[in-house]
Amino acid sequence: SQQGEEDPQALSIQEGENATMNCSYKTSINNLQWYRQNSGRGLVHLILIRSNEREKHSGRLRVTLDTSKKSSSLLITASRAADTASYFCATDGEAGKSTFGDGTTLTVKP
Amino acid sequence: EAQVTQNPRYLITVTGKKLTVTCSQNMNHEYMSWYRQDPGLGLRQIYYSMNVEVTDKGDVPEGYKVSRKEKRNFPLILESPSPNQTSLYFCATGLAVYNEQFFGPGTRLTVL
Repeated sequence: SQQGEEDPQALSIQEGENATMNCSYKTSINNLQWYRQNSGRGLVHLILIRSNEREKHSGRLRVTLDTSKKSSSLLITASRAADTASYFCATDGEAGKSTFGDGTTLTVKP
Repeated sequence: EAQVTQNPRYLITVTGKKLTVTCSQNMNHEYMSWYRQDPGLGLRQIYYSMNVEVTDKGDVPEGYKVSRKEKRNFPLILESPSPNQTSLYFCATGLAVYNEQFFGPGTRLTVL
């Protein structure tokens, strides 16, 4: 399996609720990034957290990183139907290599 | 406008017929990378380049070649495509290694 593994694979919530996705990885990292992908389109960068950071915010997004547990979480607060997409974590390990997880598919029902 | 372009966007070809997928960026980024995306397997890195004339293998390089003769272009070459290379391919660029990556729109390749 890949370096990054997201959990859950799929998540369905109502508009206004919070969505939490988790990512686990296996080896040491420099950074961890979260990306979003709308069906079949290119990925869009959401947030980057460095290995020496524990938490980062960007608008309705909150990312945490626990390097001792080799895990990260992405929280989307007050979700909207437009947040419906797949979300991927990506780890930057040895020079230049990027490893993406399998993604979490989020459905936000209006 | 800052962008990453890929051509072609869609391609249907036959086994063994050499093809090239181009990737071009206008952001003066040093880092460029190719990924393939398959259902249930997420994105897997094929090759990456940290600068001109510097390329390295990702996790799934078999059956692919790349070159980086100039900063803006990073073509992906399939010398002898096979059906297991049917996939959605993405090019991505970054200012430098370990920075956020900007993705192209994708190339959907079908090898018959």
